[in-house]
Amino acid sequence: EVQLVQSGAEVKKPGTTVKISCKVSGYTFNDYYIHWVLQAPGKGLEWMGFVDPEDGETLYADNFEGRVTMSADTSTDTAYMELSSLRSEDTAVYYCAPGREYFQYWGHGTLVTVSA
Amino acid sequence: DIQMTQSPSTLSASVGDRVTITCRASQSISRWLAWYQQKPGKAPKLLIYMTSSLQNGVPSRFSGSGSGTEFTLTISSLQPDDFATYYCQQYNSYSYTFGLGTKVEIK
Repeated sequence: EVQLVQSGAEVKKPGTTVKISCKVSGYTFNDYYIHWVLQAPGKGLEWMGFVDPEDGETLYADNFEGRVTMSADTSTDTAYMELSSLRSEDTAVYYCAPGREYFQYWGHGTLVTVSA
Repeated sequence: DIQMTQSPSTLSASVGDRVTITCRASQSISRWLAWYQQKPGKAPKLLIYMTSSLQNGVPSRFSGSGSGTEFTLTISSLQPDDFATYYCQQYNSYSYTFGLGTKVEIK
């Protein structure tokens, strides 16, 4: 059974950095990219980018280029998403989602609240 | 970037109704389109991939069609469990975009 366990909720101040983890089990970690998708309160889904655990290659959406860093640790089958220079608009639930062309599995989501 | 225009944004329907949701891409995406269902407080769930392939365990009342720039998700007979928000998602050359969603409400 595929399981994706994300780290817990975070409260951050504007201008700081958050790092979220996503531990994978139930499939071969290198088989799929790990995508990150955010959902602001009451809003739709927004793709942020992905990391390829096989070689660490990343691709980021234009909206997050320069502020986001995605990585993968194959020794622990864990992916990470780090978002810097946080602002109130970054308040959202962040999901990890393995896949290539589409997202078959989803983590439970990590709520990040950015507030002074 | 490819934009996905989903319509309607809200749909009121009754149990047993046939429901259709449309997604239009700003340029051709061949058949690289998926549909997700999301319920409040939950992660999205994959329903359909590659336009018309039903994900394992998804009821056969869900179906998808289309190609190029026009796609539809159809629920043949709406069930109480189907009241949710639905999103389309395209993939094209390492670009991924979601539609804004369609909320299916009880009429």
